Amino acid sequence: DGGITQSPKYLFRKEGQNVTLSCEQNLNHDAMYWYRQDPGQGLRLIYYSQIVNDFQKGDIAEGYSVSREKKESFPLTVTSAQKNPTAFYLCASSSRAAQPQHFGDGTRLSIL
Amino acid sequence: GQNIDQPTEMTATEGAIVQINCTYQTSGFNGLFWYQQHAGEAPTFLSYNVLDGLEEKGRFSSFLSRSKGYSYLLLKELQMKDSASYLCAVRSPGGAGSYQLTFGKGTKLSVIP
Repeated sequence: DGGITQSPKYLFRKEGQNVTLSCEQNLNHDAMYWYRQDPGQGLRLIYYSQIVNDFQKGDIAEGYSVSREKKESFPLTVTSAQKNPTAFYLCASSSRAAQPQHFGDGTRLSIL
Repeated sequence: GQNIDQPTEMTATEGAIVQINCTYQTSGFNGLFWYQQHAGEAPTFLSYNVLDGLEEKGRFSSFLSRSKGYSYLLLKELQMKDSASYLCAVRSPGGAGSYQLTFGKGTKLSVIP
């Protein structure tokens, strides 16, 4: 089945450690997105990419980095510079930027 | 700047009709989306409006008035499984010909017997 796969489902980070969240899609979508969701809050855009080897910062990019080396993959690294990383991270994709976005099941990141 | 407002919580009875409102002030507008999100799960796409008027999709309908910066999601014949958060999101132009979605904080709907 076509879809968006995020892994792992749960992730724990130690202080000062970088962690990478995986996002893979087999929908042949051009555009991919990373969002962060905190309890009782809406989704906030971290980074997005419309095409391979290109990406743009969203509203809260500080402390995060991404790469888009392949069309189907858009990993997100949460660096040690992100002081409050505990959140639910959602990856999404769309066939074009103007189309509805479809979401993966999310990764819940916590600090040890 | 982008500002999207929705009620925080609503409660409705099984079998009834509920209307969830969304007002927005955004720099640029290129469509409004509604998503459903069950607790701990990913959002799922419900509906999309880019022109004024009503879009109907089974038990769910969505309305848009661009001049008023207003939308609503109408849920008919409520079922217990409709208990979820409903997210309003506005698409607006980003950089380099891209589009961004800005989400409201969501409305948590509780359906009671």
